[in-house]
Amino acid sequence: GESVGLHLPTLSVQEGDNSIINCAYSNSASDYFIWYKQESGKGPQFIIDIRSNMDKRQGQRVTVLLNKTVKHLSLQIAATQPGDSAVYFCAENRGTSGSRLTFGEGTQLTVNP
Amino acid sequence: EAQVTQNPRYLITVTGKKLTVTCSQNMNHEYMSWYRQDPGLGLRQIYYSMNVEVTDKGDVPEGYKVSRKEKRNFPLILESPSPNQTSLYFCASSLNNKGSYEQYFGPGTRLTVT
Repeated sequence: GESVGLHLPTLSVQEGDNSIINCAYSNSASDYFIWYKQESGKGPQFIIDIRSNMDKRQGQRVTVLLNKTVKHLSLQIAATQPGDSAVYFCAENRGTSGSRLTFGEGTQLTVNP
Repeated sequence: EAQVTQNPRYLITVTGKKLTVTCSQNMNHEYMSWYRQDPGLGLRQIYYSMNVEVTDKGDVPEGYKVSRKEKRNFPLILESPSPNQTSLYFCASSLNNKGSYEQYFGPGTRLTVT
């Protein structure tokens, strides 16, 4: 069935390293994807999004890559900092105007000093 | 400050006692949505609203009701709560323009039904 999932439930990196968080999706018709960060005790916070007509989008220290051939999405965080420690979710849009986001289960990123 | 607020933040109740979780946003967003978050299941959409008086079911609407009488508020109603509705609930809103569908999330409401 349709689902959005993440390859690894946890990821541990050293401060200053680059982090890569992966996401697989199954709905080839999804036209929009988004990454959220959730810190402990808080609501999800927007990081970056990408539309299906793009392969790559860059933000501040973050890059999202979209491979529609294999239905894979990744989030790259450059020079990872302790403040990046959080759970990261990818989500795909199934509805019109972003109305139906399906979230993956999340990856816990831990940054070691 | 632009934000989504939820009340209460924590609630412990008993089976069958009706409750309402309020959600309010001050960003004049058209779109609002409710999610529940459970370990191992991620965020699942309960209900959403594209605009005032327009609501629709998400993936897990059973046992919940919503209303959207005004743009800023989107309360979640549990008419007869059951223990399987124990969860962390998030309200979100979005401007929903064609460029981005970024949803702004509230701080969450942790509900325990005994």
